[in-house]
Amino acid sequence: ETGVTQTPRHLVMGMTNKKSLKCEQHLGHNAMYWYKQSAKKPLELMFVYNFKEQTENNSVPSRFSPECPNSSHLFLHLHTLQPEDSALYLCASSQTTSASSYNEQFFGPGTRLTVL
Amino acid sequence: AQSVAQPEDQVNVAEGNPLTVKCTYSVSGNPYLFWYVQYPNRGLQFLLKYITGDNLVKGSYGFEAEFNKSQTSFHLKKPSALVSDSALYFCAVRDTADYKLSFGAGTTVTVRA
Repeated sequence: ETGVTQTPRHLVMGMTNKKSLKCEQHLGHNAMYWYKQSAKKPLELMFVYNFKEQTENNSVPSRFSPECPNSSHLFLHLHTLQPEDSALYLCASSQTTSASSYNEQFFGPGTRLTVL
Repeated sequence: AQSVAQPEDQVNVAEGNPLTVKCTYSVSGNPYLFWYVQYPNRGLQFLLKYITGDNLVKGSYGFEAEFNKSQTSFHLKKPSALVSDSALYFCAVRDTADYKLSFGAGTTVTVRA
């Protein structure tokens, strides 16, 4: 295990539903990330938080709303999603958003999201 | 700007044979390079990284990778593949001046018994 947990592991939702994904890290890190993984495509960085402050929003549609109440927890709130949003959503954490060579990202197992 | 190319969607090898997964990269400055592996229903697991120094990097589970600056490549290798090595492999790069990783599209490795 990497020390990063995600719940739920699988989620099926309709386009009008509201749901949330949760990520928790037990590594004492201060930076947390949301990525979208679609088949045969590179991982797409969505959001970055450093010390609870959002430092990156990679042009993500507003139907995805992140929340970082503290350095250990990260949420992704979902509302009125589209079928093309179906993907594996990965959470990661690192010490900070430093460029240091020691600043590695550790990934959770992901939430497999299906939008009907 | 930075990017990674993994030219092969799929690599198939027989158990006991050498395994190579190719990766080329582009960064404006100097690179930090990474390999991750993803088993079914699991997140990405770190395998190895190149930071500086020796061009041959050794990592987990008997994997190694060779950094080639002139060819801007960072191919992953294993001398003798196991069936349990079957998984999805991602190469990633970041500029030494940045924290954000850029990933390749992944290569599915299948090792047949």
